[in-house]
Amino acid sequence: RKEVEQDPGPFNVPEGATVAFNCTYSNSASQSFFWYRQDCRKEPKLLMSVYSSGNEDGRFTAQLNRASQYISLLIRDSKLSDSATYLCVVSPTRGIFFGTGTRLTVIP
Amino acid sequence: EAQVTQNPRYLITVTGKKLTVTCSQNMNHEYMSWYRQDPGLGLRQIYYSMNVEVTDKGDVPEGYKVSRKEKRNFPLILESPSPNQTSLYFCASMQWRSQTEAFFGQGTRLTVV
Repeated sequence: RKEVEQDPGPFNVPEGATVAFNCTYSNSASQSFFWYRQDCRKEPKLLMSVYSSGNEDGRFTAQLNRASQYISLLIRDSKLSDSATYLCVVSPTRGIFFGTGTRLTVIP
Repeated sequence: EAQVTQNPRYLITVTGKKLTVTCSQNMNHEYMSWYRQDPGLGLRQIYYSMNVEVTDKGDVPEGYKVSRKEKRNFPLILESPSPNQTSLYFCASMQWRSQTEAFFGQGTRLTVV
C-alpha cells in the first residue's frame, strides 16, 4: 500500500471557482503534513503546512483528519496563477513521502 | 541564501557509463533524500539519510547508490545506468527534528540512451 494516495486529476475549473483536493495516508504514526506546489517540472515548493486544528492562508485552507487519515486543501476564488500540480506530503518516521500530485488548470 | 544545489541540471549519457549527481545543502539539515519523478507516478523516494553515515533505502533504490560522508553533501551514484533510469531527479533536505519545510534542489533531468 502506498504511503500517500492522491487523486491525480486533472481538475479543470473556471476562474473564481472553489476547488478541493484530498489525500489519504497509510501510516497512523505520521506527524507532519504539508501541501506543496509544483510548476511545470520545476522543484516543489512549500504551499502550506497542515495543522491538526486546520489552518488558512488567504484563499487556501488546509485541514487534517487524523481519525480518517486524510488531509485536504481548499482553494477559493481560483486564479489563473493557481494552475499547477499540488502535492500532499506526509512525514512519518522514515522520511517524507509525496502523493502523485493533482494537476489543476484554472480556465479563463 | 538557504539552498539545495544539484548538479548537473541536465545530463545525457549512455547505458553503462557510471555517473554521479551531486547534491549539497547549506542549512545544516540532518535529513536529505533523493526522488525521481516520472509522469503519472509522482515523486518516488530512492534513498534517504537521517544523518552523516546513516542512509536507508526508499521505495525505488534498485540501480542507485548514495553516500553521506559529510552533512552537507548527499551524492546519487548510478554505477551502470540503464534507459529505465531516464527521469527527473530531485534532492531534498529538511531539519528533521523540527519537521519543518523540506527544501528542494532545482532538479536533474537525466536521459540514458
